[in-house]
Amino acid sequence: SQQGEEDPQALSIQEGENATMNCSYKTSINNLQWYRQNSGRGLVHLILIRSNEREKHSGRLRVTLDTSKKSSSLLITASRAADTASYFCANTTGANSKLTFGKGITLSVRP
Amino acid sequence: GAGVSQSPSNKVTEKGKDVELRCDPISGHTALYWYRQRLGQGLEFLIYFQGNSAPDKSGLPSDRFSAERTGESVSTLTIQRTQQEDSAVYLCASSLDPGSYNEQFFGPGTRLTVL
Repeated sequence: SQQGEEDPQALSIQEGENATMNCSYKTSINNLQWYRQNSGRGLVHLILIRSNEREKHSGRLRVTLDTSKKSSSLLITASRAADTASYFCANTTGANSKLTFGKGITLSVRP
Repeated sequence: GAGVSQSPSNKVTEKGKDVELRCDPISGHTALYWYRQRLGQGLEFLIYFQGNSAPDKSGLPSDRFSAERTGESVSTLTIQRTQQEDSAVYLCASSLDPGSYNEQFFGPGTRLTVL
């Protein structure tokens, strides 16, 4: 079963605006990762944040992690139409690093 | 370099038939994972391989599902007596080793439709 929950489920913004997506989880984690999926197929890894980190940046992406609230957020700044995709948070808890995914957020960026 | 590949990309089968899905991981990656994604959902973990062994099969939904890996490379996921609820995209991922901080690289998936 999936333990993560993202919100909102769908987000529509204008190109150039920032997009903020949130994720919550239920148990202690090793790390939390965000993935992007286009057209319901392969996933692309965006960023990983370790359980002892609070914030991480990668280009236009900023991820925060609050382990006390068991939540994370992904901020995409200066969005582009090409950012239109589904975004998933996933975490690992065990030694084998299997990923537990949320249901995903559908982001639409209007040109 | 070559990424994770999966075949076939699409598979349509009749209820009750067996299917085999193939995954070719990135060369040298010791860890291999299978996930399933139903329409509009996130990914569900199915099975994990470390080398040719599967220490975690906890996500396999029933005994109709099995998987093997040979040569610490190719993996095959087999679904016997397929049911309509098996319809989904099956994704394979590999990573250098199973360490928690290693990125998993995903293949494009196999879309299975059971009629």
